[in-house]
Amino acid sequence: ETGVTQTPRHLVMGMTNKKSLKCEQHLGHNAMYWYKQSAKKPLELMFVYSLEERVENNSVPSRFSPECPNSSHLFLHLHTLQPEDSALYLCASSQAGTGLGKLFFGSGTQLSVL
Amino acid sequence: KQEVTQIPAALSVPEGENLVLNCSFTDSAIYNLQWFRQDPGKGLTSLLLIQSSQREQTSGRLNASLDKSSGRSTLYIAASQPGDSATYLCAVRPDTDKLIFGTGTRLQVFP
Repeated sequence: ETGVTQTPRHLVMGMTNKKSLKCEQHLGHNAMYWYKQSAKKPLELMFVYSLEERVENNSVPSRFSPECPNSSHLFLHLHTLQPEDSALYLCASSQAGTGLGKLFFGSGTQLSVL
Repeated sequence: KQEVTQIPAALSVPEGENLVLNCSFTDSAIYNLQWFRQDPGKGLTSLLLIQSSQREQTSGRLNASLDKSSGRSTLYIAASQPGDSATYLCAVRPDTDKLIFGTGTRLQVFP
């Protein structure tokens, strides 16, 4: 059983909807990540939170809004998405600062934007 | 800019074969390299992590090597099984808070 839990597993939304993806880690880590995985493309880093502060925003459109209320929880708020935003969204966690730790991933949320 | 390439993109082999998957990266300034497995529609499972000071890591039938100076890593799978069928991804860590991924090798092992 993974130590990183993502909900929901699947999400279908219209372009005018607002929804949120949730991620929770039970590993005692202090860094959390959002990645996007589209077909036939490498995983793309979206956001990094280290010690609950955003340290990376990889030129992600403002229709994606992350929130990290504490070191165990990470959200991705979605609004007015486009069909090209359909992808698998993966959350990960690690122990920040050392540069040596493994990343542990959740099972992802498969998002379809109609 | 760090780029990670994996060859081949897809591989189909009969059960029992020994396999080598390749990963190359353009900038040798990395903290570590990690190999992952991904089943269709699922998240990533970490297989092996090699620190920049290490040459290889082993776990069961898997062995990963790292040649940082030439920007290469290989994942060796011994005596492949149908359960090994998945996409294998390599990723390098160029700084403390980031992983850069390759596009993966899609492996199918048939009985």
